[in-house]
Amino acid sequence: GAVVSQHPSWVICKSGTSVKIECRSLDFQATTMFWYRQFPKQSLMLMATSNEGSKATYEQGVEKDKFLINHASLTLSTLTVTSAHPEDSSFYICSDSGNSYEQYFGPGTRLTVT
Amino acid sequence: GQNIDQPTEMTATEGAIVQINCTYQTSGFNGLFWYQQHAGEAPTFLSYNVLDGLEEKGRFSSFLSRSKGYSYLLLKELQMKDSASYLCAVRFSSSGSARQLTFGSGTQLTVLP
Repeated sequence: GAVVSQHPSWVICKSGTSVKIECRSLDFQATTMFWYRQFPKQSLMLMATSNEGSKATYEQGVEKDKFLINHASLTLSTLTVTSAHPEDSSFYICSDSGNSYEQYFGPGTRLTVT
Repeated sequence: GQNIDQPTEMTATEGAIVQINCTYQTSGFNGLFWYQQHAGEAPTFLSYNVLDGLEEKGRFSSFLSRSKGYSYLLLKELQMKDSASYLCAVRFSSSGSARQLTFGSGTQLTVLP
């Protein structure tokens, strides 16, 4: 299957700072990528759909000005958490759109805001 | 809404068989996936069903009944390493993106020796 990488795998930042997370599709040109957030012992919640060359589509309740998504190329999407707060601490996972039968997930990024 | 329901927790014994159920809203159904997720890791793909019936893949099998909005994941010959969260995810044709998945809350399976 396709390989999706994420960087960094974990990050600790201070409250009020911004953090950028990269998601790369290594062997698949993805016009669409998905960003999920997962709190401890909960399931994946879709935050937004990242579209190459156009604006991201955000799910209800997700602040687009706080979670900036850029999908400038077919293999790279970035999520920037701006003015991070402790409640933003979570596991962020991206996936590419895959094929009809599978969606390929990155290894995830653990964000801790102190 | 697009509710997907699965049990929160299950416990089974090593070597046994366990069935994890998932129910979902049938309107707009366009495929069902099962993923395995170990703590702190990303989900890994287990199975995909879009037609009724049973799909078998080694120790894991997945069943789908579209009319009932029901699926199950069957794990045979349980091993300790099977302790993980199992996520049921559905693709709905009404979603914003054709490939968007909606996830259930996950079933935490604990395999005991």
